[in-house]
Amino acid sequence: DGGITQSPKYLFRKEGQNVTLSCEQNLNHDAMYWYRQDPGQGLRLIYYSQIVNDFQKGDIAEGYSVSREKKESFPLTVTSAQKNPTAFYLCATGGRANTGELFFGEGSRLTVL
Amino acid sequence: DQQVKQNSPSLSVQEGRISILNCDYTNSMFDYFLWYKKYPAEGPTFLISISSIKDKNEDGRFTVFLNKSAKHLSLHIVPSQPGDSAVYFCAAILDPGGSEKLVFGKGTKLTVNP
Repeated sequence: DGGITQSPKYLFRKEGQNVTLSCEQNLNHDAMYWYRQDPGQGLRLIYYSQIVNDFQKGDIAEGYSVSREKKESFPLTVTSAQKNPTAFYLCATGGRANTGELFFGEGSRLTVL
Repeated sequence: DQQVKQNSPSLSVQEGRISILNCDYTNSMFDYFLWYKKYPAEGPTFLISISSIKDKNEDGRFTVFLNKSAKHLSLHIVPSQPGDSAVYFCAAILDPGGSEKLVFGKGTKLTVNP
């Protein structure tokens, strides 16, 4: 079954702890993205990677880190430096070359206690 | 500075009527526009798109209209159904084949009342 798998779906973290969100895809897409969704804020780009071993900061990269060691995987680490980490995190892969369409995973809800 | 704006945070319509969701953009170089639909606690799913060389694209109950001179696009849903209740995101991209990224609006929450 082709698709994007994000895990865990729900995650609770204490303040000061780092947490890593997993994103795996078997769509054979080169590009992968991490977005954050907050109420009333839409989708904001955290990091993206166009190719293995390369990634770029998005609009709100502070307090986050990523790696892209394999084409299939693009994990996101939410560090203790992220001031307001409670959010819904979405991983996406791209995409159709003629439209820019992205394919999204089911999302991970992170709650900081 | 927001390049893609959805000025209505919410919209409520009756089942069977038309839903019209609006989106404005500031960059006249955008080449492609997309609409995504998102249910709570799920990832967005692609709904419909339109190239900048067209002014209308239709897919079943969904039609997207593009007015380049006004830098405005709209999504029409006819007839609206309760299952259409979701958040709708408008997105635009400069060069789909290049290294550009999708730019999203903040979304409009549509509620279709039975």
